[in-house]
Amino acid sequence: GENVEQHPSTLSVQEGDSAVIKCTYSDSASNYFPWYKQELGKRPQLIIDIRSNVGEKKDQRIAVTLNKTAKHFSLHITETQPEDSAVYFCAAKISNSGYALNFGKGTSLLVTP
Amino acid sequence: GAGVSQSPSNKVTEKGKDVELRCDPISGHTALYWYRQSLGQGLEFLIYFQGNSAPDKSGLPSDRFSAERTGGSVSTLTIQRTQQEDSAVYLCASSPRTSGEEQFFGPGTRLTVL
Repeated sequence: GENVEQHPSTLSVQEGDSAVIKCTYSDSASNYFPWYKQELGKRPQLIIDIRSNVGEKKDQRIAVTLNKTAKHFSLHITETQPEDSAVYFCAAKISNSGYALNFGKGTSLLVTP
Repeated sequence: GAGVSQSPSNKVTEKGKDVELRCDPISGHTALYWYRQSLGQGLEFLIYFQGNSAPDKSGLPSDRFSAERTGGSVSTLTIQRTQQEDSAVYLCASSPRTSGEEQFFGPGTRLTVL
C-alpha cells in the first residue's frame, strides 16, 4: 500500500523565518495530497491541498509544491508567526483504491518569538 | 455551520470492557471516516462509509473493532474486549465528496484502557 514519509519530525524556526516540511510517497497512482495542522489537544485542520494535475498551490503565507516524478511534495510557510506552532501532517490518497488518506507521522513546528 | 462532533471527549475503561464511540458528521456530508491516532504517530485509517454502500473495513485492526452508520448520518465505533494497546485518540472525519478529498475532522475521543 501507500507509504508516506515525512521530514523533519521536529522543526524550530525564529519568527519571520520560513519553514519547509517535506513528504515522499511510494505509489505513483496517488493523486491528492492534503496538509493538516493540529494544535495541541485540538482536531486536525485542513490548511491546504493539491491535486496531481497541479505543481504548486499558494494560499497567503502557505504554499505546497508537488513533484510527481520524484514523488515528493512540500509545505512552505513564509513569515512564520508563533501561532503557526503546531504539528503538521501530510497525507496522500491513491486514486481508484479506496478513499482513505495515508498520513505521515507529523512534524512538530515551533516558532519562537 | 456546526462541525463534526464526537462523544465522549474522554473515555477511561478497564481492560476487557466494551466501549462505544459516537460521531456526528457535518450535515449533508455523505462520506464518513474513522481514524486512530496513537501518541506521537500519524493517523491510521480504520473504516469508511459512503452513503448506503457497504463500508470499507480494510483498516480495522482486529475483529474486536466494528462500526455502523445509521440513517446515513451518525456513526458508532465499537471496540469489544478492549486491550491496553487500544488506547489512542479516535478521530472521525466527514466529507461532502465521494473522492476522499476535503475530509474535516472532529475533536476526537481519547480512549484510555487501564
